Amino acid sequence: LAKTTQPISMDSYEGQEVNITCSHNNIATNDYITWYQQFPSQGPRFIIQGYKTKVTNEVASLFIPADRKSSTLSLPRVSLSDTAVYYCLVANDYKLSFGAGTTVTVRA
Amino acid sequence: DTGVSQDPRHKITKRGQNVTFRCDPISEHNRLYWYRQTLGQGPEFLTYFQNEAQLEKSRLLSDRFSAERPKGSFSTLEIQRTEQGDSAMYLCASSLAQGLNTEAFFGQGTRLTVV
Repeated sequence: LAKTTQPISMDSYEGQEVNITCSHNNIATNDYITWYQQFPSQGPRFIIQGYKTKVTNEVASLFIPADRKSSTLSLPRVSLSDTAVYYCLVANDYKLSFGAGTTVTVRA
Repeated sequence: DTGVSQDPRHKITKRGQNVTFRCDPISEHNRLYWYRQTLGQGPEFLTYFQNEAQLEKSRLLSDRFSAERPKGSFSTLEIQRTEQGDSAMYLCASSLAQGLNTEAFFGQGTRLTVV
């Protein structure tokens, strides 16, 4: 399983864009990049998944450069309710490997 | 609610007792996973079922841990002779086996406290 590295924590303010970059230098050809969000006392929730270039859904955007050795999750116009832990995963099957994640704190 | 359901949500047990947790996945999902999460860490993969077959169990933490999915629907995770180090959140997730899909749906977990 490819190892991922992401910042331990990030602070932001309501209405700002939050960008979390994840490094995955050993990503394999058939690995996908997936991001999950977790609130306290809840299970993780799938946010977005991509293979290369850019993916956008109603919640976030995922930017993946051509070499795929990193990826950036972009959360537009965050609100207080976006305060959570965000996990970057690299996987191609069921065995999801979570690191410690990035704790994002949004302040008023 | 048609999400993944786990029962109980909280369990306090004395060291040495056996505990069993139940997971009801999303009905059409054929894959089911168990994870363990300790404070400040991400979820740690334990085991995985596709239908009723347990295809991966090497990550179960010791022989005190076992899991079943007898009819390919709900699953149970049992911990025998609990130890204080077993205190954690136990998460269940389910998904559809679709190619390289890595979207799993998690339940709210069972928080185990061993005293």
